Amino acid sequence: DAGITQSPRHKVTETGTPVTLRCHQTENHRYMYWYRQDPGHGLRLIHYSYGVKDTDKGEVSDGYSVSRSKTEDFLLTLESATSSQTSVYFCAISEAGYEQYFGPGTRLTVT
Amino acid sequence: DAKTTQPNSMESNEEEPVHLPCNHSTISGTDYIHWYRQLPSQGPEYVIHGLTSNVNNRMASLAIAEDRKSSTLILHRATLRDAAVYYCIRGDYNFNKFYFGSGTKLNVKP
Repeated sequence: DAGITQSPRHKVTETGTPVTLRCHQTENHRYMYWYRQDPGHGLRLIHYSYGVKDTDKGEVSDGYSVSRSKTEDFLLTLESATSSQTSVYFCAISEAGYEQYFGPGTRLTVT
Repeated sequence: DAKTTQPNSMESNEEEPVHLPCNHSTISGTDYIHWYRQLPSQGPEYVIHGLTSNVNNRMASLAIAEDRKSSTLILHRATLRDAAVYYCIRGDYNFNKFYFGSGTKLNVKP
């Protein structure tokens, strides 16, 4: 299995509070991605990174920001969490090839 | 943006072949077609991918229509462990961004 971890694995937070999710890889892959998955749906891309300090928006980036100061870490921040951001968040990594390796997911509940 | 279209669910008998269809009529010429599957409470895992030609690996085969508007994932002998949600994904050539469809839930009967 690819060395990719996510923390925390579960989090409950209140509306309006900031939340940061962390994705950590040990594979030295160039590309990193954040997706969200809502019940009955496929994954949707939030943000992605193609190198240290190089990031861009995906399909559903409103309300989210990201940072990548080291190759191994990709942080997803919800500046002010809303109930619509309750979801399961997956991180993925990829090298120049076409296969993405997904982390175990973080279940976030915003009350 | 253009996503893929798949049937919501399919059912198969164990040890029989399964053909999972996918439509991607607006796919661009440089986009790859990927298939991943997801078990409950896990992240998606890679199955196969292709561009224009049919592809085979130890898990499955991928048949891509000549006009690239559709493709079919073929599991040659379904097992109970193959029960999962299968996603057909358009892979953007730029930065390898994935655009998921809603997936097909495959049920395998003993």
